[in-house]
Amino acid sequence: ENVLTQSPGTLSLSPGERATLSCRASQSVGSRYLAWYQQKPGQAPRVLIFGTSNRATGIPDRFSGSGSGTDFTLTISRLEPEDFAVYYCQQYGSPPHYTFGQGTRLEI
Amino acid sequence: EVQLVESGGGLVQPGGSLRLSCAASGFTVSSNYMSWVRQAPGKGLEWVSVFYTAGETYYADSVKGRFTISRDNSKNTLYLQMNSLRAEDTAVYYCARGRPDYGDYDCWGHGTLVTVSS
Repeated sequence: ENVLTQSPGTLSLSPGERATLSCRASQSVGSRYLAWYQQKPGQAPRVLIFGTSNRATGIPDRFSGSGSGTDFTLTISRLEPEDFAVYYCQQYGSPPHYTFGQGTRLEI
Repeated sequence: EVQLVESGGGLVQPGGSLRLSCAASGFTVSSNYMSWVRQAPGKGLEWVSVFYTAGETYYADSVKGRFTISRDNSKNTLYLQMNSLRAEDTAVYYCARGRPDYGDYDCWGHGTLVTVSS
């Protein structure tokens, strides 16, 4: 199983600041198969980034993804109040198996 | 509008069974890979199972042999039959639609809570 480790566990920042969230895989991940989600309390997750760097429909351009191999990053260029939430990375690998990171809580 | 609506959650005793349903609208479930993902209270996301368009199914080790994913094309609905339930299966269960050619999920239901307790 490809284990995803996210860091930091909690990130405390202020609106307007830049957030950098890390996701490290125990095995290499194909660039098509790494995604990032945002989850707010009481809500389902929603995809932000798919295929490492593609923004999903309706996602503002302050969200960007990068990385390759085992190291991936989600960057939020200027935090808005609505961005404070929990973020998960997720990968797909063989045999068909999907894993999520443990999450990074972004707090004000 | 693309939408997924789960139902069937509730309180069940350890060792019991439950069947979850996920009704889709705005798209055809048979044309997409579909999954169940769960989230224990206060915890992170855990992938449970996937149903591919050609009919192949796969499961997480934690549920293999106890859970069965299925699909009814005529009802445009995905199911999860859960048997031999354990306390650690307590979670919100989400169904999610997979994005073709990528490994992510681009549409999620609101979730249904399953509580396994005596």
